[in-house]
Amino acid sequence: DIQMTQSPSTLSASVGDRVTITCRGSQSVSSWLAWYQQKPGKAPKLLIYKASSLQSGVPSRFSGSGFGTEFTLTIDSLQPDDFATYYCQQYDNFPLTFGGGTKVEI
Amino acid sequence: EVQLVESGGGLVQPGGSLILSCAASGFTFSDHYMDWVRQAPGKGLEWVGRTRNKAQSYTTEYAPSVKGRFTVSRDESKQSLYLQMNSLKTEDTAVYYCTRRGDDGSGYFPFDYWGQGTLVTVSS
Repeated sequence: DIQMTQSPSTLSASVGDRVTITCRGSQSVSSWLAWYQQKPGKAPKLLIYKASSLQSGVPSRFSGSGFGTEFTLTIDSLQPDDFATYYCQQYDNFPLTFGGGTKVEI
Repeated sequence: EVQLVESGGGLVQPGGSLILSCAASGFTFSDHYMDWVRQAPGKGLEWVGRTRNKAQSYTTEYAPSVKGRFTVSRDESKQSLYLQMNSLKTEDTAVYYCTRRGDDGSGYFPFDYWGQGTLVTVSS
């Protein structure tokens, strides 16, 4: 199985900050890496696919980069609506696997 | 508008069985792979299983933790996805989400739509 490791697990930030979350795979997943946002009691929402492609309707302050085993999610100018938990997910190999999550809090 | 609505969750004893359903609408169901993803209380996301589309003969894949106990199936006439869960364990307690795998023509895409989830509690 491919293990996905996110860091940090918790991130304290303020409105207007630039935030970066890292996701590392135990082996290469090429560009088959997605990022999701989840708010309490809600289903996850797809933000980024293919490592850097912005899902339709997602604000442009979200961006992704990386290839192989190292990936980042960046949020430029953090907004109040962005305080949530973020997960990476590889969809290159079965079993599909998620990172442990990064909670972005005030 | 794409909608995925799960049902069938509840309390079940260890060793018991349960069937979850997911009613899909707003898209051509037979075109898409469909997956189940679960989330234990206060924990992260875990992929459970997949059924591919008609073009791929509805073949399935499973997470090692559920293989041999869970079965993913679909009924095109009802536009519904199912998860048959047998030999349930306390560690299967989770919110179960029905998800649609998107498609950009590459053959690889993550989950672009999720249901609201249904809670399964395995406890005596």
